[in-house]
Amino acid sequence: ELKVEQNPLFLSMQEGKNYTIYCNYSTTSDRLYWYRQDPGKSLESLFVLLSNGAVKQEGRLMASLDTKARLSTLHITAAVHDLSATYFCAVDRGNAGNMLTFGGGTRLMVKP
Amino acid sequence: NAGVTQTPKFQVLKTGQSMTLQCAQDMNHEYMSWYRQDPGMGLRLIHYSVGAGITDQGEVPNGYNVSRSTTEDFPLRLLSAAPSQTSVYFCASSYHRTWGYTFGSGTRLTVV
Repeated sequence: ELKVEQNPLFLSMQEGKNYTIYCNYSTTSDRLYWYRQDPGKSLESLFVLLSNGAVKQEGRLMASLDTKARLSTLHITAAVHDLSATYFCAVDRGNAGNMLTFGGGTRLMVKP
Repeated sequence: NAGVTQTPKFQVLKTGQSMTLQCAQDMNHEYMSWYRQDPGMGLRLIHYSVGAGITDQGEVPNGYNVSRSTTEDFPLRLLSAAPSQTSVYFCASSYHRTWGYTFGSGTRLTVV
């Protein structure tokens, strides 16, 4: 059974600081996704990581994937208040696609 | 493009009632799926479909039925609602797993 674990579960940080969210998963997969969710809203796709060593960046967020370590990271650079949200990683475990197993989420609060 | 449209946005059911949550997409996506999100948790896969006429069970299928008669629509039926089915339900679709998934805005269901 695939398990996906995120840490930390809650992160409070000051604006301007850097931090990393970790996503570990238990079985082999080379497809990992990061999503953002604002309170009461749907999920917004941030990154699709499809191979070992994949790195993608968008603004102050950078995601990477190490399939050998079964680890993905979401790095936040110089955080701003607008980044406050819950971040989920999800691993696709299906041969036919369409079978995401989600981590429990990291609730990020960036204080001015 | 409307994307992924879910209706209704909110629903209150009494225990034992049945209902159908609607999901439609206009992006010609083959892959569609239903997830539920409970408070403070990540999403869990209920059912999924890889094309019209093809459906399969996810992690938590009990108490739910699906069908996929067209590419566009993927309704989720609650057969006999129970308080444990109180949750937020998200429908998602994808053209291909390497493209990531688009999520609907969600249906907030309360069973009393």
